[in-house]
Amino acid sequence: QVQLQQSGPGLVKPSQTLSLTCDISGDSVSSNSAAWNWIRQSPSRGLEWLGRTYYRSKWSHEYAISVGSRMTINPDTSKNQLTLHLNSVTPDDTAVYYCARQWWRGSYFGMDVWGQGTTVTVSS
Amino acid sequence: DIVVTQSPLSLPVTPGEPASISCRSSQSLLHSNGYTYLDWYVQKAGQSPQLLIYLVSNRASGVPDRFSGSGSGTDFTLKISRVEAEDVGVYYCMQAVQVPLIFGGGTKVEIK
Repeated sequence: QVQLQQSGPGLVKPSQTLSLTCDISGDSVSSNSAAWNWIRQSPSRGLEWLGRTYYRSKWSHEYAISVGSRMTINPDTSKNQLTLHLNSVTPDDTAVYYCARQWWRGSYFGMDVWGQGTTVTVSS
Repeated sequence: DIVVTQSPLSLPVTPGEPASISCRSSQSLLHSNGYTYLDWYVQKAGQSPQLLIYLVSNRASGVPDRFSGSGSGTDFTLKISRVEAEDVGVYYCMQAVQVPLIFGGGTKVEIK
């Protein structure tokens, strides 16, 4: 059974960097059948996809334009986890953040596993 | 970016009655590989979203068969044949044919 366990601070000061970790069990961050996504949810934006990383002979990273150059997703194969870094945060980045797995096995099987969510508040 | 629009915003339903949610995209979700990349998710109170339907009409593991998805191209529908109290939540469609992945605004299903 695949599980995603999120961790990270609940409060970040404006202009600082938000870092969240998603620990993966039951699958591998370097799986050729998965893509690992970060999504956030706020009352103003709804569910907003932020980006994803996946391994297909080499690592690929895709990011939403809305967070573009502020965001990086780092896969760590030694710890089997992925980390989101979002720099220069503002109160507008206040949201619940989720990691989620998209899965393919020949065909596509949706975003089938989600982390428990981390509530992040950006405030001084 | 693809725009994804859901309706209605709110859907009060009587237990045992059917319910239907519409999802429309600004571009076709049909990929060149022949698959149409439209998913449905439900978020129950205090929980993370969970997968209901993938590729328009395929139920995820453990999803009751009262849930069904249909549609093609840009127009899609999620149907609940007979709503049960446990179906209360916010339902989202999501296009996955291209990045950025886009979720619809959500439909809140509540019991009358």
